[in-house]
Amino acid sequence: EIVLTQTPATLSLSPGERATLSCRASQSVTTNLAWYQQKPGQAPRLLIYDASNRATGIPARFSASGSGTDFTLTISSLEPEDFALYYCQHRSNWPLLTFGGGTKVEVK
Amino acid sequence: QLQLQESGPGLVKPSETLSLTCVVSGASIRSDYYYWGWLRQRPGKGLEWIAAIFYSTSTYYNPSLKGLFSISIDTSKSQFYLKLKSATAADTAVYYCARVPRPLSGSSNYYYYVDVWGKGTTVTVSS
Repeated sequence: EIVLTQTPATLSLSPGERATLSCRASQSVTTNLAWYQQKPGQAPRLLIYDASNRATGIPARFSASGSGTDFTLTISSLEPEDFALYYCQHRSNWPLLTFGGGTKVEVK
Repeated sequence: QLQLQESGPGLVKPSETLSLTCVVSGASIRSDYYYWGWLRQRPGKGLEWIAAIFYSTSTYYNPSLKGLFSISIDTSKSQFYLKLKSATAADTAVYYCARVPRPLSGSSNYYYYVDVWGKGTTVTVSS
C-alpha cells in the first residue's frame, strides 16, 4: 500500500502570504495525485487533479506541481477563505483510494 | 446539477447494524461514467475510503475494511447504501457519499478522484 505523508501538519500564516504544502508518497504514483480543500463543517472539494491541473472553478492562486513521490500545493496569496484543511490523494491502487493525513492552514 | 444527500440514524448502539442511504439527484445513477462511493472521517482524523459501486452492482472495497461493510444500489430509487454490521465506537465518524469518475474514453479527467461529495452525515456509536 502506498502511504502519503503530508507536511507540515499545521501551517500558520497571515492573509496575503504564500502557502506551500507538501505531500510525499512512499513509492512513485507518477502524476496520479489530487489535492482537496476542506473547510470546517463542509465536505472536501477537489482542487487539483493529475498533480498540477486545477479543477473546474478553482482560482488561479492555487497551483501544484510534482511527480513520482514529491508533490507541492502552493497558494500564492492567502485569502481569508483559504484557511482550511488540505488533503492529497493518489489513485494508483484502485479500488483503494488513499489520502494523506492533511495539512491545516490556520491564521497566524 | 448533481447533488448527493446522505441520511442515517445519527446514533447507533454498539454491536448494532449501521445503515446509511445516499440519494442521487440531478443526474442518472445509471451512468456508465461513474462509480458511487462512501468515505468516512473519524473525529480529528483524515479521510478514509470505504467502498464503491457501479450501477451494474459491481462492488469495490477498501481491502482493509472488506468484510466489515457492504455497499448496494437501487437504481429504481436512485439511491445507494452502506451497511456495517456490528458497529463499534471506532466507527463513529462523518460518512460521506461521493461520485468517482471511471476511466472511460470521453469521461472526466478526474477518474479515480472524488469529484462530487455529499454534505456528510454524522454517525455516533454509543450506548
